[in-house]
Amino acid sequence: AQSVSQHNHHVILSEAASLELGCNYSYGGTVNLFWYVQYPGQHLQLLLKYFSGDPLVKGIKGFEAEFIKSKFSFNLRKPSVQWSDTAEYFCAVYAGNNRKLIWGLGTSLAVNP
Amino acid sequence: KAGVTQTPRYLIKTRGQQVTLSCSPISGHRSVSWYQQTPGQGLQFLFEYFSETQRNKGNFPGRFSGRQFSNSRSEMNVSTLELGDSALYLCASSGQETQYFGPGTRLLVL
Repeated sequence: AQSVSQHNHHVILSEAASLELGCNYSYGGTVNLFWYVQYPGQHLQLLLKYFSGDPLVKGIKGFEAEFIKSKFSFNLRKPSVQWSDTAEYFCAVYAGNNRKLIWGLGTSLAVNP
Repeated sequence: KAGVTQTPRYLIKTRGQQVTLSCSPISGHRSVSWYQQTPGQGLQFLFEYFSETQRNKGNFPGRFSGRQFSNSRSEMNVSTLELGDSALYLCASSGQETQYFGPGTRLLVL
């Protein structure tokens, strides 16, 4: 069965630290990849997505992600986090003709001021 | 464009009751998906509707049902509520292969 794995369940960083959240999926064919963010008390928002083309994707609020097909990975990065980045981050994948969006369990990020 | 709206935002019910949640998608979007979100379980897919037809279904019991109207608005119904149904229920409308989420309905079952 197709699955999405987010390796870090809880991450705590200080402001200005660099961030990398891991996301791996299990599917060998064509994929559409997403990162969503859920700020405390707010609804899920799309951070960025990859369908095709340049594997380095830039999203909102200074986030970027790199699709590495050989590693089945789509890791999220930000060079310098802020306190306002405290949120839950979800990776999701559309795989092949399956119309279901497969979700990781999320990573809770806390940024200390 | 207005975003996805969900009503009600909060709901308290008791075991055995039933509940109906409503979702209005982004104008022009014909696909609506429903999810249950609980701490530690992430987002669990309930079902997806497209043009009034259920196109996909998750692994939830038959107590969970849904429908979609001709204007793409969708409802989900949970009958015979159980304590474990307490969760945030999210609706997402899809456009160009991307899902956009509403604020959710937080359901508490006592």
